[in-house]
Amino acid sequence: QVQLQESGPGQVNPSETLSLTCTVSGGSMIAYYWSWIRQPPGKGLESIGYVYYTGTTNYNPSLQSRVAISVDTSKNQVSLELTSVTAADTAVYYCARRAYFYASGRGHHYMDVWGKGNMVTVSS
Amino acid sequence: SSELTQDPTVSVALGQTVRITCQGDTLRSYYTSWYQQKPGEAPVLVMYGTNNRPSGIPDRFSGSSSGSIASLTITGAQAEDEADYYCNSRDSDNDHSVFGGGTKLTVL
Repeated sequence: QVQLQESGPGQVNPSETLSLTCTVSGGSMIAYYWSWIRQPPGKGLESIGYVYYTGTTNYNPSLQSRVAISVDTSKNQVSLELTSVTAADTAVYYCARRAYFYASGRGHHYMDVWGKGNMVTVSS
Repeated sequence: SSELTQDPTVSVALGQTVRITCQGDTLRSYYTSWYQQKPGEAPVLVMYGTNNRPSGIPDRFSGSSSGSIASLTITGAQAEDEADYYCNSRDSDNDHSVFGGGTKLTVL
């Protein structure tokens, strides 16, 4: 049973960089995509982006200039960095495994395993 | 970029049937997945590929899609089904993932 665990600081100062790590246990990272998703308090889910086990990435256009997601399969870890944070970046940050399948000539996805989340508050 | 629209709140009497909908042009081309989220917990996948249930999800949950609208139906809603439900699909312009705004389901 694959499990994901986010870790990182619970508080970040404005204008600094938010850094989180997701550790994957109970399964291989190979051939999967790994996503970061966040949820501001009382609000809905927002996809940040994903990384393939090879290192290929795709980001939310609204965050692309500030975000970097990387993978280290030797450590079974996925990392998130978000620069120049403001109060609007305060949220619970989740990592999730993104499964892919092809049908009707197109690629489709869903997130089948989620971590418990890491609350990050941006405040001085 | 694509957008997915959900009704903010839906209610259902205990044991009755409820349908939660998600609307967006990208759904004409890409399959929908649905997530259940209870207060203080991480989301849980309850439906993928529009109408496939993951292992462990009760068969009272079903999914369907027609044109730009996808639906999650709960037949015989239980008290434990009270939660927020989010739809998700692929952005039609790129490979980015898009979520609906969520529907808060109340079981009366």
